Amino acid sequence: QQQVKQSPQSLIVQKGGISIINCAYENTAFDYFPWYQQFPGKGPALLIAIRPDVSEKKEGRFTISFNKSAKQFSLHIMDSQPGDSATYFCAASRMDSSYKLIFGSGTRLLVRP
Amino acid sequence: DAGVIQSPRHEVTEMGQEVTLRCKPISGHNSLFWYRQTMMRGLELLIYFNNNVPIDDSGMPEDRFSAKMPNASFSTLKIQPSEPRDSAVYFCASRPGQSYTDTQYFGPGTRLTVL
Repeated sequence: QQQVKQSPQSLIVQKGGISIINCAYENTAFDYFPWYQQFPGKGPALLIAIRPDVSEKKEGRFTISFNKSAKQFSLHIMDSQPGDSATYFCAASRMDSSYKLIFGSGTRLLVRP
Repeated sequence: DAGVIQSPRHEVTEMGQEVTLRCKPISGHNSLFWYRQTMMRGLELLIYFNNNVPIDDSGMPEDRFSAKMPNASFSTLKIQPSEPRDSAVYFCASRPGQSYTDTQYFGPGTRLTVL
């Protein structure tokens, strides 16, 4: 119940296309869902985050869609660029476990020029 | 701000040797985390400090691993003796507060190879 399942494991998209990464969780106590972006040789960095009281959050070309009833959330990267090539991790946390971020397994995104 | 600083960035050692990884969190942050990243297991939380006190070390693999935070600006993760299965990238992260929605800021990591 503490897991966050992420798919796909890897993704190749043409420049200008839409990249979609999906995550699913079981524990309904999770109420904060951040996405982290990691470039090779770097640590993960927060990209965007959402709470379950909204169904969508958009920041520039990055959008999180959240489906509370299905216990799923996804990251959409519009107009994908080669500079977006990185590994993306979804994560989940809950108020009664203030320090634990449960990470998904990661998606390696390659955007071809 | 310089961000979270980790040293060394790369470490190659032989099985049985002691390894010490170092972390300087962002100034003013009172929460510190050590993670391990491998292909097989992804990102795993090893230990969490709040105000320099270890709160949860349940992720530490075994007694060979130990972590300290003697003050607000420095933490170490020690492996003694090291084994080949400890090869991984070790990340330190800090967080400004105690809220679960506060952002964790990761360092660049230390890539450890145990031969």
